[in-house]
This record gives sequence, structure tokens and C-alpha cells, in this order.
Amino acid sequence: GAVVSQHPSRVICKSGTSVKIECRSLDFQATTMFWYRQFPKQSLMLMATSNEGSKATYEQGVEKDKFLINHASLTLSTLTVTSAHPEDSSFYICSARYRGRGYTNYGYTFGSGTRLTVV
Amino acid sequence: QQPVQSPQAVILREGEDAVINCSSSKALYSVHWYRQKHGEAPVFLMILLKGGEQKGHEKISASFNEKKQQSSLYLTASQLSYSGTYFCGTELQAGGTSYGKLTFGQGTILTVHP
Repeated sequence: GAVVSQHPSRVICKSGTSVKIECRSLDFQATTMFWYRQFPKQSLMLMATSNEGSKATYEQGVEKDKFLINHASLTLSTLTVTSAHPEDSSFYICSARYRGRGYTNYGYTFGSGTRLTVV
Repeated sequence: QQPVQSPQAVILREGEDAVINCSSSKALYSVHWYRQKHGEAPVFLMILLKGGEQKGHEKISASFNEKKQQSSLYLTASQLSYSGTYFCGTELQAGGTSYGKLTFGQGTILTVHP
């Protein structure tokens, strides 16, 4: 249970174009999803928190106009990298908080990630 | 607030043990441990909640000292498959509950040799 599907797994785009990454919760409703970015040999850095039906909350230093997040339903969140540049090349991973039965039965499940290369 | 992990890297031979530490300067609600292989998403290992607890899963266990805001991951009798980068993720405490988001440490690279 608590599976998150992320697509595409790999994308190469030209500088200046936009790329959309989708994240779907398959067997649970995710009112909140999280978007992380990971550069090579570095940690996962939280970019933004996506809330269903409302505006996303961005972490300090993340450009909201560049990284557009839409969470239109309880099972789908999308991240659009607009006007992508080579420095946006990174591994983008989505995550969702799920809760099962019992106080301690919760956690964060991750999508499989999207490797973005901007050329 | 990013938690601090130590050591940055560990090199082991099969069968040896390792300890990875994670500490925070702020009050924690929970600590989550993940292992990530190169090019893949993190894989969940275990979660420890405030109140101080210890958990185990086969040869991997962890503890959470709520007073010190520290957690440790113990890997015993390491196997080749244990190689990867280990991350602790922390949820900060807010009035007895969680802020509801996970912040990761910088990671510990574990390499197990035959």
C-alpha cells in the first residue's frame, strides 16, 4: 500500500522549454505532496509542499514562478519546470505523507524520481 | 532546519558493524531512516516517534533519544546489499504534533566490500 507513481522517469529537454512531471498516489488519497530536488552526491532538498485545492508552499530560495506546482485532485500533483536551463538539471522526487491504522502507522512514501537533463 | 548526520562516509567489510548518527538542534516529532541506491528513489527503513524508542528490522535497528534530539542507525553483520547512501529525515515538533514535512540530513555513504 501507499504507492506513489511518478512520470516520466527520465526527460531531456532543450534550454528554454518547459517540462511537466506528474506524481500520482495510486492506492490512497494524498492531500499533501512534497517535491524534492537532489543534485549529484547531495541530499534531498525540499522545494515545496503541495496542498490539494490550494496554493503550494515554497521553501526559501525556490522560485515559485519557475517551479509551478498544481495539486488539482487528491491523487495528482504536478511540477512544471518553466523555461528550463542547464542548471535546473537534477533528480526531482515527489513524496506523499500517508497514514494507516494506528498512531504509529504513518510515513512518507516516494515516487521513483525524474532525471531531468536540460541541454 | 536540516539535521546533521555523521559520519559522512563509512567503508566496511562484509560482516562488520556500523553506526550512523543523526542530530537536530530543534525538537523532533519523528525520525525516518532511508537508504538510497545510486539513481534510485529513497527506500524507507524505519520510523521512530518522539517519546524515545528503539526499533529493529533483521540486522538493522535504530534508536531515538528524544532528550538529546538524536537518532542512531545500527547496521550489524553488514551485507553487500547494505551499500548505499543512508539519509535520516526529521519532522519537527509543533505543539505536541508534527509540522508535517520531512527534512533530510546530508547523507552517509556506506560501502561494504567482500
